[in-house]
Amino acid sequence: QSALTQPRSVSGSPGQSVTISCTGTSSNVGNYNYVSWYQQYPGKAPKLMIYDVTRRPSGVPDRFSGSKSGNTASLTISGLQAEDEADYHCCSYAGSYTFVFGGGTKLTVL
Amino acid sequence: EEQLVESGGGLVQPGRSLRLSCVVSGFTFDDYAIHWVRQAPGQGLEWVSGINWNSFTIGYADSVKGRFTISRDNAKNSLYLQMNSLRAEDTAFYYCAKGQGNHIVGAPFDSWGQGTLVTVSS
Repeated sequence: QSALTQPRSVSGSPGQSVTISCTGTSSNVGNYNYVSWYQQYPGKAPKLMIYDVTRRPSGVPDRFSGSKSGNTASLTISGLQAEDEADYHCCSYAGSYTFVFGGGTKLTVL
Repeated sequence: EEQLVESGGGLVQPGRSLRLSCVVSGFTFDDYAIHWVRQAPGQGLEWVSGINWNSFTIGYADSVKGRFTISRDNAKNSLYLQMNSLRAEDTAFYYCAKGQGNHIVGAPFDSWGQGTLVTVSS
């Protein structure tokens, strides 16, 4: 159950797009379309932003989108806004009723 | 509004035990799987354990298997985590998180509590 690999930090200017990668293996990301992404502000609980690789819960802006290719999933945020500055965590189902998270990525809006 | 409230955290010595609880409201508890996810201070999230709606299916992270036990009482709208043989590396905020469906397989965590802090130190 090794953690998924995310960049420690990414940044972008308001209005730009940023993409956060999440690399796993053929035992998790590559084998299941059960990748989810969570947004977390400091001192707050995480919030579900994307699930099943590409699906958005109601209320999540369509500026947030997800994708997957092979063992790597990605979260793209377009039209960056100051309120998007937060930590983002990816998660994948890993079989045998288990899940694995990435190490988290800090997004800075310049 | 869905609410999940964790309790039971605190300071405990290495090797000792602690039991966490999570009481939920605002949704039909026994319609959903539910999980424990932890976060060491300044670190990323780590999935700890999950249990499906009727307790028939349970999963554990390798890091806690054999030491932690998850359980639920649907009549009390409550989730529990019995933590034995605690280690310093178990120090973290522990969140309960509701699954999106009644099964564990693949379903994301769509509602979270605010967490309870467990500190393992002598």
